[in-house]
Parts: sequence; C-alpha cells; structure tokens
Amino acid sequence: DTGVSQNPRHKITKRGQNVTFRCDPISEHNRLYWYRQTLGQGPEFLTYFQNEAQLEKSRLLSDRFSAERPKGSFSTLEIQRTEQGDSAMYLCASSLTGLADNNEQFFGPGTRLTVL
Amino acid sequence: QKEVEQDPGPLSVPEGAIVSLNCTYSNSAFQYFMWYRQYSRKGPELLMYTYSSGNKEDGRFTAQVDKSSKYISLFIRDSQPSDSATYLCAMMDNYGQNFVFGPGTRLSVLP
Repeated sequence: DTGVSQNPRHKITKRGQNVTFRCDPISEHNRLYWYRQTLGQGPEFLTYFQNEAQLEKSRLLSDRFSAERPKGSFSTLEIQRTEQGDSAMYLCASSLTGLADNNEQFFGPGTRLTVL
Repeated sequence: QKEVEQDPGPLSVPEGAIVSLNCTYSNSAFQYFMWYRQYSRKGPELLMYTYSSGNKEDGRFTAQVDKSSKYISLFIRDSQPSDSATYLCAMMDNYGQNFVFGPGTRLSVLP
C-alpha cells in the first residue's frame, strides 16, 4: 500500500498525559499537513511542512502541540498535557507540491484520540 | 461568517436519484476546489478536483464551480447505497495554502 499511513489508529489516554502520533506520507510527496476533525465538522488545518520546514501553523495549534518532520519524510505530532477537548480525529495528508496542478492532498486514515 | 459554508444535512435520497451537494465561500482568493468523500471513521478520499470556474465530469460525478457567485456544486447521478457518506468541499488559494474544508454534508442513499 503506497498511501498515507498513520499510527496508532486509536489512542485512549488520561487527561494530563502526553501523546505522540506518527504520519508516513506518500514517498515522493514533499508537503505534509496535519488536521484535526471533530464529529460533524470538516477537518481543521493545524500545520504543514514543505520537506522538513514547518511553514505554517494555525492558531488552533496551542503551545501544547508540537509537530516535527526531521528528515522530510515521516512526521510526528505530539500533544503535551492532554485535555478532554483534545479528543478528536487527527488526520495527516500529503501532496506532491503546493503549486499548479500537483497539490491534491491525499489523506491517511487518521488517529482517533480519546482523552478521559 | 465562516469561510466555507455547507448544508450539514443529513440528506436522504432513494437509490438512483440525482444528488446535488453545494458549498458557498467568501474568500475570492480560492482558486482550487475539491470534493472529498469520507466514510465513517475513515480519512477523506479525494473525488474531484477543479481549478477556477467550469465543469468537470468523472463517471457519475460532476463538479461545477461558479466563481462569480462563489458557489460550487457536486452532482451524483444514479446514486447508489455505497455513495452514503459525508461529502466535504475544500478549497485553497493559488499557492496551495489556506486550505479550508466545509463542515460536510451527510448523505444517505436508501436502497
């Protein structure tokens, strides 16, 4: 399977714990995006990377959230001191480039986080 | 006013019906318009992708973009129960940035 993969698929944690999610994009894609989606809503943009550089962060991305893409391949999203409001589906997407006709985003299956 | 508006539904139609899904938007910088299908507990799957105004057809799916009215549509012909899902419109500017989703319309096609 050469699509976007995310791990874990589900994560249940207690409030106050730290969690880390991983995303492996499509191999030749140089852009990687993180979104958060709650029930009944569309995905909300969190941040994106062009190769290893984090180019944009949403105001939704509080100080407790940090994302990395150290080698321009896989990415991790860490949430520190989780809160119940962090419960959501965290989606990763990748695209070939941000220009012209090569910027379709392909999504992974998501990581569903439940904070108790 | 939200940047992208979409009727959340739910929308229920009988099998074989023509389905019309719509989004309106406020940001005139949007140039790329996409429709995604999302099944329950899955990531969104890209269905259609159009640039600027016009129509695009792919099998049973037709996407229309009217930039003058800031209005986009997705039509599904001969709808099938397997089309039951949430349909999300999404759009972005010329630089592949400012990527915004609508809230999604939940569609049920009844056999």
